[in-house]
Amino acid sequence: QSALTQPASVSGSPGQSITISCTGTSSDVGAYNYVSWYQHHPGKAPKLIIYDVSKRPSGVSNRFSGSKSGNTASLTISGLQAEDEADYYCCSYAGSSSWVFGGGTKLTVL
Amino acid sequence: QVQLVESGGGVVQPGGSLRLSCAASGFTFSNYGIHWVRQAPGKGLEWVAFIRYDGSNKYYTDSVKGRFTISRDNSKNTLYLQMNSLSAEDTAVYYCAKLERRAYYFDYWGQGTLVTVSS
Repeated sequence: QSALTQPASVSGSPGQSITISCTGTSSDVGAYNYVSWYQHHPGKAPKLIIYDVSKRPSGVSNRFSGSKSGNTASLTISGLQAEDEADYYCCSYAGSSSWVFGGGTKLTVL
Repeated sequence: QVQLVESGGGVVQPGGSLRLSCAASGFTFSNYGIHWVRQAPGKGLEWVAFIRYDGSNKYYTDSVKGRFTISRDNSKNTLYLQMNSLSAEDTAVYYCAKLERRAYYFDYWGQGTLVTVSS
């Protein structure tokens, strides 16, 4: 399986909105509504922030939202805050009990 | 609260073996599938292996098939990853991650254990 494609980095100022794309294929992102997103501060455990394309776990800020169109999923963070600075990874179920991650996007809050 | 604590990482020579453990607490371990996910230095996350709640089925990414074995001891609430024939490409932080029931996402992760393959 090839990794999903994410931009290496994005940046934004506090209060702004940013969107991170995640492009896969018709065998993973396009085939299933099982895209999830994880926030990872280096040295810590990754944290689930979006599952099933657009659902938010309890306790996750509604500033985080997800969507999907065709083979591309997206994560939008609105009202950027300093603590949002982290690495973000998308993940898709790829069938036959296998999963594939994106290469990760480093978010810098300016 | 849910806790996953990995251990067993270290430095190993190319061709060597290592066994990682993941101790789980705060949930009924025997009811959930568990994954291993790794992150090589400067790289993204990579799904490695998955074992069903009862150990009945195991799945691996192609690059580790035949070399890695995932297993679990539900009486000890512990997940394992036996890694053989290690190469430099296996150098990474290894995370265990819990799969939510009847779902396709990882709701809890450990903090990882570092495996370095080097002579």
